[in-house]
Amino acid sequence: AAGVIQSPRHLIKEKRETATLKCYPIPRHDTVYWYQQGPGQDPQFLISFYEKMQSDKGSIPDRFSAQQFSDYHSELNMSSLELGDSALYFCASSADRGGNEQFFGPGTRLTVL
Amino acid sequence: AQSVTQLGSHVSVSEGALVLLRCNYSSSVPPYLFWYVQYPNQGLQLLLKYTSAATLVKGINGFEAEFKKSETSFHLTKPSAHMSDAAEYFCAVTIYNQGGKLIFGQGTELSVKP
Repeated sequence: AAGVIQSPRHLIKEKRETATLKCYPIPRHDTVYWYQQGPGQDPQFLISFYEKMQSDKGSIPDRFSAQQFSDYHSELNMSSLELGDSALYFCASSADRGGNEQFFGPGTRLTVL
Repeated sequence: AQSVTQLGSHVSVSEGALVLLRCNYSSSVPPYLFWYVQYPNQGLQLLLKYTSAATLVKGINGFEAEFKKSETSFHLTKPSAHMSDAAEYFCAVTIYNQGGKLIFGQGTELSVKP
């Protein structure tokens, strides 16, 4: 079965650079969620999209922005990167934004030097 | 607001022993509850979920959990631990029809000794 695809899997950036993370949801899933997991931490909700519109917003810094495109893939754009942005970024998709089940991608590990 | 507390950041059991990972939730409305497992450098895999149907939920790999409203708990159990169960386990909560975002507990690292 098709799963959530995230690219790239690993990304190394310098401070103050920008990064773009991509997420391709499971076919026919119209809801995408982004989470950030710092080292040794639990995943924290950043932002979600339903039918290409922002659905909910969590603890996402103003330096970050995201969108969902017409093919339902989503991109998380991160600017002015800081050392503290180093983390594992997960994307999850769902066919039911009511909260029934989310399927997680393998994550993008971002390292900021 | 919803929250989840996992008691014990690290649990160690012997192979073949009972696994018990504790999760308590706080929610003003009936919650949906989940257990996810994360192996090193991998994503989150759903073990099981409670979505207001049967209170005893069976999941993959022999795990099960029981929703106890009176105790606001959703503990994860497995009768006999395998070495392959060693991983990080997260309990998570969401509220139906409020967007679906998951609120995670702090995680419990399970070690299995031979």
